[in-house]
Amino acid sequence: QPVLTQSSSASASLGSSVKLTCTLSSGHSSYIIAWHQQQPGKAPRYLMKLEGSGSYNKGSGVPDRFSGSSSGADRYLTISNLQSEDEADYYCETWDSNTRVFGGGTKLTVL
Amino acid sequence: EVQLVESGGGLVQPGGSLRLSCAASGFTFSSYWMSWVRQAPGKGLEWVANIKQDGSEKYYVDSVKGRFTISRDNAKNSLYLQMNSLRAEDTAVYYCARDKNSGSYVDYWGQGTLVTVSS
Repeated sequence: QPVLTQSSSASASLGSSVKLTCTLSSGHSSYIIAWHQQQPGKAPRYLMKLEGSGSYNKGSGVPDRFSGSSSGADRYLTISNLQSEDEADYYCETWDSNTRVFGGGTKLTVL
Repeated sequence: EVQLVESGGGLVQPGGSLRLSCAASGFTFSSYWMSWVRQAPGKGLEWVANIKQDGSEKYYVDSVKGRFTISRDNAKNSLYLQMNSLRAEDTAVYYCARDKNSGSYVDYWGQGTLVTVSS
């Protein structure tokens, strides 16, 4: 079963860019993941599917400021031109053999 | 517009039971795998269970096997989670979620319903 590792927190300034990382465990580096955003007090929202090739498909209504990329076992979520509403928890998700796994989440603070 | 609306949460004593419901609209419910995902207070997301389009396959996280049952009624566009032998550690917001492809990842979330297990 894959394990997804995320940093617990990150911070960046308003208007800048930030790159969040989700790392797949050994033996699972080719797995596809999904990124989700959870603003304070709200339900999660699907952002995008991200493949090991770096190809990504965003959900409906996700701003162009959000993009994805990959390198080996690492899956990245880059947010450009940070806005105050981007302050949220970000989770990655993957699946294998009829089980689903979420990373522990990264709390993003916009300074 | 895809909508998933959960109901049935509340306060229940340890050892008790509760049935959650999720009303789906805005898409062809019978064409999608569906999941339940929970989030304990102040914690991250945890997948609980999912179910195939026709209900013929169901999968659970180990911690709820034998206690929780996922089911669906495609005629009513509804998803259910029957929770028995509830424990304090089951306290969480429970989200109904649509799976993108064959039980892969979530592409739509409901707003959640809170289940509190306490005496």
